[in-house]
Amino acid sequence: DTEVTQTPKHLVMGMTNKKSLKCEQHMGHRAMYWYKQKAKKPPELMFVYSYEKLSINESVPSRFSPECPNSSLLNLHLHALQPEDSALYLCASSHGEAGANEKLFFGSGTQLSVL
Amino acid sequence: SQQGEEDPQALSIQEGENATMNCSYKTSINNLQWYRQNSGRGLVHLILIRSNEREKHSGRLRVTLDTSKKSSSLLITASRAADTASYFCATGRGATNKLIFGTGTLLAVQP
Repeated sequence: DTEVTQTPKHLVMGMTNKKSLKCEQHMGHRAMYWYKQKAKKPPELMFVYSYEKLSINESVPSRFSPECPNSSLLNLHLHALQPEDSALYLCASSHGEAGANEKLFFGSGTQLSVL
Repeated sequence: SQQGEEDPQALSIQEGENATMNCSYKTSINNLQWYRQNSGRGLVHLILIRSNEREKHSGRLRVTLDTSKKSSSLLITASRAADTASYFCATGRGATNKLIFGTGTLLAVQP
């Protein structure tokens, strides 16, 4: 199994809602990532978990809250988002903890719209 | 923060032609990777070239790296309509998980 599975594929939420994005991989990878991608722009790194511990937070606003319940799962909890947070949210994983030196496996993403 | 810039921003070619995309970056790197993204989908890893390598091939793909010029190129030979996608370079520095993507090239291959 070489897949990273993200759910839901599409999400529409109001600014007062609380929702969660989910990501799962069963490749035994030890690092997992959240990227945010606006239309026609490159993915921007948000968070990195290495061995289930948060290792990188790219100064992301606290309305985004990541969680890594175990080595296969990664969640992104969303609360009080703004319309400008509308984007494609991509989850990725890599085998080791030095992910910059190895390839990332990406999920298909969650297309988020904040109304 | 953005590390790489790619050019051209967009490229349109006919099926069977070769496509060349360039990536320039700003600081020293351990490796450089290329990814493909079909519209609205996840990214797919194409090739990784390490800083001590100058050229790498994978099927119809050829990647070069010139660390003195801080640049890389991706050549797709004998292009197909299915190669239509955005192509991103990504650079990694140090023993970290921080992989930063360039601005991307949108390739359209006309049948």
